[in-house]
Amino acid sequence: NAGVTQTPKFQVLKTGQSMTLQCAQDMNHEYMSWYRQDPGMGLRLIHYSVGAGITDQGEVPNGYNVSRSTTEDFPLRLLSAAPSQTSVYFCASSYSPPGEAGANVLTFGAGSRLTVL
Amino acid sequence: AQSVTQPDIHITVSEGASLELRCNYSYGATPYLFWYVQSPGQGLQLLLKYFSGDTLVQGIKGFEAEFKRSQSSFNLRKPSVHWSDAAEYFCAVVNNDMRFGAGTRLTVKP
Repeated sequence: NAGVTQTPKFQVLKTGQSMTLQCAQDMNHEYMSWYRQDPGMGLRLIHYSVGAGITDQGEVPNGYNVSRSTTEDFPLRLLSAAPSQTSVYFCASSYSPPGEAGANVLTFGAGSRLTVL
Repeated sequence: AQSVTQPDIHITVSEGASLELRCNYSYGATPYLFWYVQSPGQGLQLLLKYFSGDTLVQGIKGFEAEFKRSQSSFNLRKPSVHWSDAAEYFCAVVNNDMRFGAGTRLTVKP
């Protein structure tokens, strides 16, 4: 059981560079999401997806793009990295969106620590 | 505005002492409520959850939490803390999506 796998675990970028954080899950979860974690601010939702081909914005979407071409994968793209995007990023998934009846529990990946210089 | 508040940024308790971590929320309806724990360098692990029914819920590692509608609170408790409980604890609330509190860091003194 791999669960939710995030790569890379660590990355250092220069301002203006682009990169993609990968997220894959093998639990056949329809719902996937990306959070960023910053000191004193908890986790904030960036983007989420309720199924292949469907994505939507969360609380802090600016500067990030996502796509969902398969059920398993949900990459997060930074097109032009900025120092304000230095953070720890978490991918999470569940069978259905958290707000639906029966509120499925999110499973989190181990995180990706990104530093933008 | 909808929000989740964890009033205590950092708490220190002695090993064997009791623990209570506070969580308050402001949502119109009764949301789904969760507590997660994060050890250093790790992802988040679910401790317990409340959807409906009995307002006192039991979780893993000896933790429990009580939902109090009148106080809009969902405080986490443990009767006797172990050194391995040192971690950061997050309260989370689901209404349409999942929102997290800022977290409470727990230090356990020997």
